[in-house]
Amino acid sequence: RKEVEQDPGPFNVPEGATVAFNCTYSNSASQSFFWYRQDCRKEPKLLMSVYSSGNEDGRFTAQLNRASQYISLLIRDSKLSDSATYLCVVSVYNTDKLIFGTGTRLQVFP
Amino acid sequence: GAVVSQHPSWVICKSGTSVKIECRSLDFQATTMFWYRQFPKQSLMLMATSNEGSKATYEQGVEKDKFLINHASLTLSTLTVTSAHPEDSSFYICSQPREGRETQYFGPGTRLLVL
Repeated sequence: RKEVEQDPGPFNVPEGATVAFNCTYSNSASQSFFWYRQDCRKEPKLLMSVYSSGNEDGRFTAQLNRASQYISLLIRDSKLSDSATYLCVVSVYNTDKLIFGTGTRLQVFP
Repeated sequence: GAVVSQHPSWVICKSGTSVKIECRSLDFQATTMFWYRQFPKQSLMLMATSNEGSKATYEQGVEKDKFLINHASLTLSTLTVTSAHPEDSSFYICSQPREGRETQYFGPGTRLLVL
């Protein structure tokens, strides 16, 4: 079983749509959680950290359920520029190491 | 602006040659840097942790004699792919820890194609 699992997609949605991505992780000792965005042939860039209380940054909302070991990302009012691969990332307990999911591809069309 | 730079951004080489990739910390000193590899449509996989002034720590399954890491200064880590073969063709990315946020700054990556 992969340590971080995501639906690879692609998710094809029209502009303005709301789309949700899910992620599960296997190590219950994981401490920190993130969503990264990766554009084609580019490095990953931090989109947002994910907290147990849930957090929002503009059109983006992230949720963490530690009991279910489940992380989600909600994107509202999708823009063409949101087209990218979204990576679910989990830290390794007591280290600086990160474990990446394979990513979920989003394609927003006009 | 960029915090981590990598050079070269892409390289094409013949099978059997060695390729060196540089990773520089631009804004602050980095005692630790990470090297990842990403094959098409796959996740980033951590290869090794580079430690300034000491030996790198390699992840399971990564050959330390093939992927030589040198972290001789607080701003530079290098990864040398020795005797590269076509199966080593990949996207190599370095990163450094981000203070206080338990995440990392990533370099722009180096795309390696071995013919």
